[in-house]
Amino acid sequence: AQKVTQAQTEISVVEKEDVTLDCVYETRDTTYYLFWYKQPPSGELVFLIRRNSFDEQNEISGRYSWNFQKSTSSFNFTITASQVVDSAVYFCALRQDTGFQKLVFGTGTRLLVSP
Amino acid sequence: DGGITQSPKYLFRKEGQNVTLSCEQNLNHDAMYWYRQDPGQGLRLIYYSQIVNDFQKGDIAEGYSVSREKKESFPLTVTSAQKNPTAFYLCASSIGGRPASGVLGYTFGSGTRLTVV
Repeated sequence: AQKVTQAQTEISVVEKEDVTLDCVYETRDTTYYLFWYKQPPSGELVFLIRRNSFDEQNEISGRYSWNFQKSTSSFNFTITASQVVDSAVYFCALRQDTGFQKLVFGTGTRLLVSP
Repeated sequence: DGGITQSPKYLFRKEGQNVTLSCEQNLNHDAMYWYRQDPGQGLRLIYYSQIVNDFQKGDIAEGYSVSREKKESFPLTVTSAQKNPTAFYLCASSIGGRPASGVLGYTFGSGTRLTVV
């Protein structure tokens, strides 16, 4: 069975602080995809990144960076110099490479950035 | 612009009533999905459809029904059999159900918040 765990329910930081959101996953597949989505207060989910299981290179996009480590089954997300606009719920998700393209989500981490 | 439209944004239902949530996409995506979101539980899959006139139960299908008569539409009916329907419902679509497609994952609608009164 596939499972995604986001142990941090809520994180509060002050603007300009760095913050890391943890994601640990479980799967028996050798090929899979990992995602991060942002859910602002408006409700829709905004795609942030996709990573396949064969690509363990870390990725940086502006203030966002992702650390994928297969050895620990983790796909952590770091926001550098956080801003108030980063306040949202962030979801990590896993998709298998076989069968139907079903996304399994973690329970989400609510990030609150205060000015 | 292409995207997914969910309506209404807020919906109130009396106990014992059926209610239908609308989901329309103009992305020409084959696959569509319905997720339910409850506080602290993430998103759980209700139903999904890989192609027109076909749909499959997800993890929590009891008390729900769907139809897929048109490629662009995937309405969800919350029936009176659903014991706890108050939740936030998200519709999504992807290019296809095959792993080689849908590279960017899903496109999500803005959701419908259903409240039973």
